[in-house]
Amino acid sequence: GNSVTQMEGPVTLSEEAFLTINCTYTATGYPSLFWYVQYPGEGLQLLLKATKADDKGSNKGFEATYRKETTSFHLEKGSVQVSDSAVYFCALSEAETSGSRLTFGEGTQLTVNP
Amino acid sequence: NAGVTQTPKFQVLKTGQSMTLQCAQDMNHNSMYWYRQDPGMGLRLIYYSASEGTTDKGEVPNGYNVSRLNKREFSLRLESAAPSQTSVYFCASRDWGQGRRYGYTFGSGTRLTVV
Repeated sequence: GNSVTQMEGPVTLSEEAFLTINCTYTATGYPSLFWYVQYPGEGLQLLLKATKADDKGSNKGFEATYRKETTSFHLEKGSVQVSDSAVYFCALSEAETSGSRLTFGEGTQLTVNP
Repeated sequence: NAGVTQTPKFQVLKTGQSMTLQCAQDMNHNSMYWYRQDPGMGLRLIYYSASEGTTDKGEVPNGYNVSRLNKREFSLRLESAAPSQTSVYFCASRDWGQGRRYGYTFGSGTRLTVV
């Protein structure tokens, strides 16, 4: 079956530091890959996505590249802000059908200190 | 604002009690989902409805039932609550069809505690 593995958290950084959150996946086909963000007390919001190998998703200064050879989709940001403090989820969706479902990683709590 | 609305936001139940979590979306999405979120485990799919009139089990369906009441509404029922069902529950919807892809939208969640 499909699975997603994220780096263990929590992650604590100072403002303007470089962020990497690792994500690797296992899938039988050619999945689409996603990063979702959850701010305190809120639901999940799509941060970025990539639908095929070598695609780079980007949004709000965050980037992730779909690496089929290493089955990875690591999230990066060059300079984090306090407002980036949240839980980040890597996810995949394998089948583009009416019943396709998201498979999530465990989530990584990020805290950015001023 | 358009989106996914969940009620209630918070609930405390005693073991053995029953309740229904409500979810409604006003985006005319075809598919709807119920997930539970537990620390260190990410989100796990309980049930989903690919389209109006259909429902299917996800990863962790035991102890739950669902009803797709119409295209807008998808409810989750706990018939006899257990402490293991203490969790945060998220409803999501997705627009699927030609030219419309990957549009998952999540509600803000229901925090359920079973004592």
